[in-house]
Amino acid sequence: DAKTTQPTSMDCAEGRAANLPCNHSTISGNEYVYWYRQIHSQGPQYIIHGLKNNETNEMASLIITEDRKSSTLILPHATLRDTAVYYCIVRPDNFGNEKLTFGTGTRLTIIP
Amino acid sequence: DTEVTQTPKHLVMGMTNKKSLKCEQHMGHRAMYWYKQKAKKPPELMFVYSYEKLSINESVPSRFSPECPNSSLLNLHLHALQPEDSALYLCASSQDYREPQFFGPGTRLTVL
Repeated sequence: DAKTTQPTSMDCAEGRAANLPCNHSTISGNEYVYWYRQIHSQGPQYIIHGLKNNETNEMASLIITEDRKSSTLILPHATLRDTAVYYCIVRPDNFGNEKLTFGTGTRLTIIP
Repeated sequence: DTEVTQTPKHLVMGMTNKKSLKCEQHMGHRAMYWYKQKAKKPPELMFVYSYEKLSINESVPSRFSPECPNSSLLNLHLHALQPEDSALYLCASSQDYREPQFFGPGTRLTVL
């Protein structure tokens, strides 16, 4: 499985866009980039995923570089409830590789 | 119904007890997962069921025994656990192995 590298922690002011980077320089052609977050003591929450193109949903946007070696998760208007650990995960799209391999993630703190 | 439910929320058991964790989803998902999360660590996969058949066992000790009675239910039977097995046990489900996984809130297990 490809490995990901994320900053250990980040702060963002409430109301601003939070930009969370992730490096996945060894990603393979059939591997998707997934983002999850985990608020303290709760189950991880799916945010968004993508293969090549940028993606947007009601929670966030995912920007993947053209060479696919890195990506950025954007929370457009951060609120205090966005304080959580954010995990960037790469996962192949084939049977037998269903597992999500979580790294240590980025602890995002939204500052009032 | 768009959520994964887990019962109980909290469980305390002795090393000689037998207990079970229960997970349920009514989203028609055909893949279900058990993850274990130790304090201050990321979740780690234990088991995967795909179409009610065990497809992945991540070398989990036999004192953990999964069961998938039907496509909506996933159990984890516990017997002769050790104090180091104390953790948050997370259940997840997905439409199939290629789709995002959605997690339940977890069962916090303490083994005395």
